[in-house]
Amino acid sequence: ETGVTQSPTHLIKTRGQQVTLRCSSQSGHNTVSWYQQALGQGPQFIFQYYREEENGRGNFPPRFSGLQFPNYSSELNVNALELDDSALYLCASGTTGNYGYTFGSGTRLTVV
Amino acid sequence: GENVGLHLPTLSVQEGDNSIINCAYSNSASDYFIWYKQESGKGPQFIIDIRSNMDKRQGQRVTVLLNKTVKHLSLQIAATQPGDSAVYFCAVNTGNQFYFGTGTSLTVIP
Repeated sequence: ETGVTQSPTHLIKTRGQQVTLRCSSQSGHNTVSWYQQALGQGPQFIFQYYREEENGRGNFPPRFSGLQFPNYSSELNVNALELDDSALYLCASGTTGNYGYTFGSGTRLTVV
Repeated sequence: GENVGLHLPTLSVQEGDNSIINCAYSNSASDYFIWYKQESGKGPQFIIDIRSNMDKRQGQRVTVLLNKTVKHLSLQIAATQPGDSAVYFCAVNTGNQFYFGTGTSLTVIP
């Protein structure tokens, strides 16, 4: 039981569509980060949110966007899906000043 | 930016032996390092961390060594058990962003 829950666990979308992935942070955590993990690769940082504002972003295009809500849940939105967006998307929550982030089990997105 | 690489993509060890997984990074400004374990179908699980002002840290059956001179860190697992079989990632913090290596798949042979 990690304390970070993600939904859905699996998702299939068609190229060009839009998708929203959801994350519920662990209680007491105030930051959330999203990662993309392609098959056989390490997670790649997409962005981080703190106090509902994006405060760090990796090398991902603007069609990847996010939201963090006052209850510290968050969303990852991806527009104009491409085949290469197929991956495991991981959410990690933590507390500022403590880098020991807790990861969820991820959402497996398949774009066809 | 940061380039993080693990020396071996796969590692097989006999149950009860010690395991060593190595990781190299490129940015001398990196100040915080974490080792994660990822089992199939799960997200990465925190194992142990170390800050740049330390060169060694020990946990339960695990030790992390950091050599800032050559930008290298390692994870040592003592008395490896079948439950240790997983993919291990090092994550390097540079500029408030974590960079992950590609992972080492550890297989423990009973």
